[in-house]
Amino acid sequence: AQTVTQSQPEMSVQEAETVTLSCTYDTSESNYYLFWYKQPPSRQMILVIRQEAYKQQNATENRFSVNFQKAAKSFSLKISDSQLGDTAMYFCAFIDSGTYKYIFGTGTRLKVLA
Amino acid sequence: EADIYQTPRYLVIGTGKKITLECSQTMGHDKMYWYQQDPGMELHLIHYSYGVNSTEKGDLSSESTVSRIRTEHFPLTLESARPSHTSQYLCASSPDRHYGYTFGSGTRLTVV
Repeated sequence: AQTVTQSQPEMSVQEAETVTLSCTYDTSESNYYLFWYKQPPSRQMILVIRQEAYKQQNATENRFSVNFQKAAKSFSLKISDSQLGDTAMYFCAFIDSGTYKYIFGTGTRLKVLA
Repeated sequence: EADIYQTPRYLVIGTGKKITLECSQTMGHDKMYWYQQDPGMELHLIHYSYGVNSTEKGDLSSESTVSRIRTEHFPLTLESARPSHTSQYLCASSPDRHYGYTFGSGTRLTVV
C-alpha cells in the first residue's frame, strides 16, 4: 500500500530563518506527483508547490522549494526567509498515475516565532 | 479568492437532525472530494466523485451520503446527526491528478 509519512508533528522557526519539513513516501509506481499544502489556522488549505516524479529538477515557488530524492522516496519542503504568515499546518500529498485519490501525510504544524 | 464554496461555514445542530453540507465549484472540475478532518488535523477521505452521476465511498467509513447531479455541485448529507459526527468537513475539487486540489474553506460541524 502507498503511504506518506511526515515524521515531524511540530516544528518552530525564527522569523527570517530557513526551515525544512520532511516527507517520505512509499510506492512501487514510477510515475506519480507530489504536493505540499498549507493550512493556516482557521483558513482555507492551499497548494504550495507540486513536483512531477519524472522531472529531475526540484520545484521552486518564491520562498518555497523542494528537495526531491526519488531513489530515497523523499520530498522535503524548504521555506526560506520564514514569515509570520507561514505559521500553518503543512501536509505532504502523493498521487500516482493510476488513480484520482490523493494520499496525505498526517501533517506538520509549523510555528514561526517573532 | 475561493473558486470552491462551502456552506455553512459553522453549524451547531441537535442529535438526530438531518443536515446537508453544500459544496459548489465554478471551475468545471470533474473530480470532487469530501474529507473529514479530525481534531489532530489528519485528513480522512469519506467520499469522492469522478463526474456527474459518479460517487464512491472513501477510506473512512461514514454514515453520510453524497450526490453528483451537476458538475459544479457535490452536497454531503447526514440523515441523522450524532455527536460522533462533530468535525471539520473539507470539500475539494481537481481537474486532473497532476494539478492537485483546490479546497473549500470547510464546514465546522458540532452535533450536540
